[in-house]
Amino acid sequence: TQLLEQSPQFLSIQEGENLTVYCNSSSVFSSLQWYRQEPGEGPVLLVTVVTGGEVKKLKRLTFQFGDARKDSSLHITAAQPGDTGLYLCAGAQTSYDKVIFGPGTSLSVIP
Amino acid sequence: EAQVTQNPRYLITVTGKKLTVTCSQNMNHEYMSWYRQDPGLGLRQIYYSMNVEVTDKGDVPEGYKVSRKEKRNFPLILESPSPNQTSLYFCASSLLGGSYEQYFGPGTRLTVT
Repeated sequence: TQLLEQSPQFLSIQEGENLTVYCNSSSVFSSLQWYRQEPGEGPVLLVTVVTGGEVKKLKRLTFQFGDARKDSSLHITAAQPGDTGLYLCAGAQTSYDKVIFGPGTSLSVIP
Repeated sequence: EAQVTQNPRYLITVTGKKLTVTCSQNMNHEYMSWYRQDPGLGLRQIYYSMNVEVTDKGDVPEGYKVSRKEKRNFPLILESPSPNQTSLYFCASSLLGGSYEQYFGPGTRLTVT
């Protein structure tokens, strides 16, 4: 059974701090996606990483895909209260395969 | 407006009473999927569909049925709901497959007593 693990499960930080969350698996994925979910809503895509070693930036968010395409990280610089939410990683082994989601990291940024 | 709609948004029912949760997308997407979300477990895929009349099991298909008779609709059917199916359900669609951006509906909170 494919599994995606995420750490930490919960994270509470002060506004302005930096943080990194991790997504790990023993399986190889053709791509990994990061979604953010706010209470009462469905997840919204932040980024898709496809190439091993790839780094993508989205304003203060930096995403990296591991060289072996088994893991990924999300780094947030100078966190803002608007970054509060549940961060989910998701992977598929092929473009048309079923999707596996990690359990998520719940981030709370305190003003 | 491009969107995925689900109905109902909230449903309380009793064990054994058949129910259907509807899902519709207006983006002409090929791929549609159903997930359930439970605390500490994240999103788990129930069923997905690559195109009309093509459906496949996800990780937790037991107790659920789906159909894809039209491209835009992908209903989730619980023939005999049980309390362990109490959960938050999301429908999603994407252009071609699971590794493409998925657009999620607003969710259906189901309680089975």
